[in-house]
Amino acid sequence: QVQLVQSGAEVKKPGASVKASCKASGYTFSSYYMHWVRQAPGQGLEWMGMISPRDGSTMYARKFQGRVTVTRDTSTSTVYMELSSLRSEDTAVYYCGRGGSSGWYDPPDVWGQGTTVTVSS
Amino acid sequence: QSALTQPASVSGSPGQSITISCTGTSSDVGSYNLVSWYQQHPGKAPKLMIHVGTKRASGVSDRFSGSKSGNTASLTISGLQAEDEADYYCCSYAGSNTWVFGGGTKLTVL
Repeated sequence: QVQLVQSGAEVKKPGASVKASCKASGYTFSSYYMHWVRQAPGQGLEWMGMISPRDGSTMYARKFQGRVTVTRDTSTSTVYMELSSLRSEDTAVYYCGRGGSSGWYDPPDVWGQGTTVTVSS
Repeated sequence: QSALTQPASVSGSPGQSITISCTGTSSDVGSYNLVSWYQQHPGKAPKLMIHVGTKRASGVSDRFSGSKSGNTASLTISGLQAEDEADYYCCSYAGSNTWVFGGGTKLTVL
């Protein structure tokens, strides 16, 4: 079955960077786009960006441009999300979610379990 | 890329129907038939319920339905059940290969 397994919780200091991973299985990794979405404590979902598995091209929400980098490793079927210059407001659960196979126009269908990132001095 | 607008909360009794609205703009909801709806129980990952505005995801009960009129999309849940109590989020394609979520609606089954 389709499964996305994310890396474990992280605690970071303000100004540091965090890199979360999302390992896919149960489908052809190179055929499906991948989204990243975050959720701050008690808050709603926030779309951060997505990546094309074929050529690694990316698109980010304007809010995160310059601070977020999404990459993929086709040899291990893993997508990474790195967020830099962390501040307390970045404390959240970060989810990966599989998009579609036809382009940028499919929302996440299957989700990872989430990676909790805590930013605290 | 402002968040879509949803009511903070809605409630209904078992067996009743409720509708959750999701208001965007002519740049997102109004321009594309690419609205999806998610259900999220506390401490869990979101679950896709509706995509491309009206299509139920695999395995989703036909008690859930989606629609759209202009810049507003809606999720209707009929025959409310206790297990429907959760947070619901809309999501829309917003052009230029970007997406935007709504602020979320907490559904309480009385």
